[in-house]
Amino acid sequence: QVQLQLWGAGLLKPSETLSLTCAVSGGSFSGHYWTWIRQSPGRGLEWIGEINHSGSSNYNPSLKSRLTISLDTTKNQFSLNLSSVTAADTAVYFCARRFFHSCFGPWGQGTLVTVSS
Amino acid sequence: DIQMTQSPSSVSASVGDRVTITCRASQGIASWLAWYQHKPGKAPKLLIFAASSLESGVPSRFSGSGSGTEFTLTISSLQPEDFATYYCQQGNSYPYTFGQGTKLEIK
Repeated sequence: QVQLQLWGAGLLKPSETLSLTCAVSGGSFSGHYWTWIRQSPGRGLEWIGEINHSGSSNYNPSLKSRLTISLDTTKNQFSLNLSSVTAADTAVYFCARRFFHSCFGPWGQGTLVTVSS
Repeated sequence: DIQMTQSPSSVSASVGDRVTITCRASQGIASWLAWYQHKPGKAPKLLIFAASSLESGVPSRFSGSGSGTEFTLTISSLQPEDFATYYCQQGNSYPYTFGQGTKLEIK
């Protein structure tokens, strides 16, 4: 059974770069898109972007200028980097697998990232 | 972006009740619609994909219907573990978008 576990810094100052990593275990890393999603009180659930095992990525246009999603196939991990963060980037961040019919499952447990001076 | 609008935003119901949640898309999305259940502090859980297909392991009291722009999630007989927030999500086109959520509370 596929499981996702994510980690990264939970407290950032404005203008810093948010970095999170998600490790995939228990299933195939290839053949799927691996996705980042965030949830905040103001924006609800927001799709951030995705990457597949060959490195092909798709980003939310609202974040594209600040966003990099990368992967390490040797470790079955993928990462999120979001630069120049502001308080508006404060959210719970999730990683998830996108699969059949462009739905998401399973999801990682989520991690709170707070941006505050 | 495709806007997803859920109604109601919240609903109070009792164990054993039948509950229906509606999700409307701002443009047609065929059957590219999923439903999730989310409990505080936990990962969202996929319930329904392709508008009406039940994810493996999800109880049969959950069902989905609809196509185009209007969709419904129905819980036929509420159980105590079903009290949570439910979200719809469109997978028709980028960027993928979610509804604002429907909080299902105990009456």
